Amino acid sequence: DAKTTQPNSMESNEEEPVHLPCNHSTISGTDYIHWYRQLPSQGPEYVIHGLTSNVNNRMASLAIAEDRKSSTLILHRATLRDAAVYYCILRWFGNEKLTFGTGTRLTIIP
Amino acid sequence: DTEVTQTPKHLVMGMTNKKSLKCEQHMGHRAMYWYKQKAKKPPELMFVYSYEKLSINESVPSRFSPECPNSSLLNLHLHALQPEDSALYLCASSQDWREYSYEQYFGPGTRLTVT
Repeated sequence: DAKTTQPNSMESNEEEPVHLPCNHSTISGTDYIHWYRQLPSQGPEYVIHGLTSNVNNRMASLAIAEDRKSSTLILHRATLRDAAVYYCILRWFGNEKLTFGTGTRLTIIP
Repeated sequence: DTEVTQTPKHLVMGMTNKKSLKCEQHMGHRAMYWYKQKAKKPPELMFVYSYEKLSINESVPSRFSPECPNSSLLNLHLHALQPEDSALYLCASSQDWREYSYEQYFGPGTRLTVT
């Protein structure tokens, strides 16, 4: 499986936008970029996924570099509830497996 | 209903005990998963069931025995565990994994302590 690299931790102020980076320089053409997050004492939660184009949903936006070697998860207005570990995961279409990396622990400062 | 439920929430067992973890979903999902998560670590896949058949076993020791009695239910039978098996056990489900759009829905987990 192709590998992802994320910062171990980040801090952001409440009500500010947050940009969480992910590098995946060995991504293949069939790899989808998935983001999950895990709030304290909960199971992981799907956030967003994409292949080549930028994607938006009610939770976040995903910006994918043109060469697909990196991506950024954007939370438009962070709340305290967004404090979690965010995982960037590559998954090729048809692959049953979700392989979690170490993720980024996001702290939101009130 | 987009919920995956897991019981029990907490379990303490001795190394000679036999116990089972239960997971249930009513979303019509045909793929179900067991993950293990140690403290401060990411979840690690253990087993995948697809259409009630075991499709992936990530070289998990035989003291962990999964079972999928029907499309809504997934069990994990535990026997002769070791203290290092203490962890959070997460269940997840997804639509048919062969489809384009398949997010996994996770339950809250069972926190297992082996004494």
